[in-house]
Amino acid sequence: DIQMTQSPSTLSASVGDRVTITCRARQSISRYLAWYQQKPGKAPKLLIYKASSLQSGVPSRFSGSGSGTEFTLTISSLQPDDVATYYCQQHKSNLGTFGGGTKVEI
Amino acid sequence: EVQLVQSGAEVKKPGESLKISCKGSEYSFSRYWIGWVRQMPGKGLEWMGIIYPDDSDTEYSPSFQGQVSISADKSINTAYLQWSSLMASDTAIYYCARPVGVAGTGFYFDYWGQGTLVTVSS
Repeated sequence: DIQMTQSPSTLSASVGDRVTITCRARQSISRYLAWYQQKPGKAPKLLIYKASSLQSGVPSRFSGSGSGTEFTLTISSLQPDDVATYYCQQHKSNLGTFGGGTKVEI
Repeated sequence: EVQLVQSGAEVKKPGESLKISCKGSEYSFSRYWIGWVRQMPGKGLEWMGIIYPDDSDTEYSPSFQGQVSISADKSINTAYLQWSSLMASDTAIYYCARPVGVAGTGFYFDYWGQGTLVTVSS
């Protein structure tokens, strides 16, 4: 398994703030990283794949960057609707692994 | 639009068997892998395994190998997750999801089912 670690585990910010979440892989995964958003009581939703490709319909305030072992998800201007837990997932190997999640609060 | 519709919540006793389902629609079900993800109460997401309905090729995460069984019936566009003997620690929400990816690399999930809550309690 390729272990994934996210930080911070919880993040509190104000509406309009720029928010950054970090995901680290134990070994290089090139750019094979996805990000998901999960709101309370709902299924996860794909935001970004291949580190920086925005899934169709996802607002442009979400962006991803990184390669190798370090990646970031950035929300350029935090909105009330962005309150959720965010997960990274490596998709270099057939058996994907998720990070532990980052809860974003306002 | 692609849809994955899962079976309803279940309440079971330890030692009982269970099979939950996930029906796909609005896409060529047999030509895409389908996967299962566990979320224990208040915890994160765990990749359980994936199946290719066209030939039933299956891959399990080591943590779930031998603990569950994943199957699919392409004639009715449905995938299954099955336990032969449930334990209290199997209490969780189980999501099915459609994995997509580039040949030679892994998968990410672009569509998800609504989740099935499984509660195991005596």
